[in-house]
Amino acid sequence: EAGVTQFPSHSVIEKGQTVTLRCDPISGHDNLYWYRRVMGKEIKFLLHFVKESKQDESGMPNNRFLAERTGGTYSTLKVQPAELEDSGVYFCASSPNRGRDTEAFFGQGTRLTVV
Amino acid sequence: AQSVTQLGSHVSVSEGALVLLRCNYSSSVPPYLFWYVQYPNQGLQLLLKYTTGATLVKGINGFEAEFKKSETSFHLTKPSAHMSDAAEYFCAVSPSFYFGNEKLTFGTGTRLTIIP
Repeated sequence: EAGVTQFPSHSVIEKGQTVTLRCDPISGHDNLYWYRRVMGKEIKFLLHFVKESKQDESGMPNNRFLAERTGGTYSTLKVQPAELEDSGVYFCASSPNRGRDTEAFFGQGTRLTVV
Repeated sequence: AQSVTQLGSHVSVSEGALVLLRCNYSSSVPPYLFWYVQYPNQGLQLLLKYTTGATLVKGINGFEAEFKKSETSFHLTKPSAHMSDAAEYFCAVSPSFYFGNEKLTFGTGTRLTIIP
């Protein structure tokens, strides 16, 4: 079974440009999460989808970030326009359902560098 | 509100020695607690978790952790370090009323180095 897949693995863009990160969750997982780790700091929650609906987007830093989940399958996270402080590693995770015994499976992350 | 503190951003131990990675948490509600590991060029992998019940939790690769409510701690241990344990380890907490793993609050991570 394929795990959580993120594209691209690395992205280097200039300040002011737009970047779109993609996450393909494990097939059949309704829950999809985005997290971000800024250099040397903790991994922070960005938002949570249940199928195609945003369940919680309280961690989104500002309106330059837009997340979508088309048809409840893959998700994209767009940063427009990118700023230097947006650099970091963006993780995506998915889980099948909500319950005590469920587990969130993480992708390998996308390393974003804004120069 | 929840927070996690991991003492020591870098820990080095000799191969065969005890591994002890410290984690203290703060939570206004009963927490679920997790340890994740990230090997180079890989995603985060769940090592173990505490939800309810037995406070000593056993995970993969010989790791275990003990939930101590009075000390608000969830330290990770392994009796004998192996070279393959070299990785970055993250402690995380989520509020139990979510009944799941969403909205994890992570610590800043501890990079474990194994000395041959």
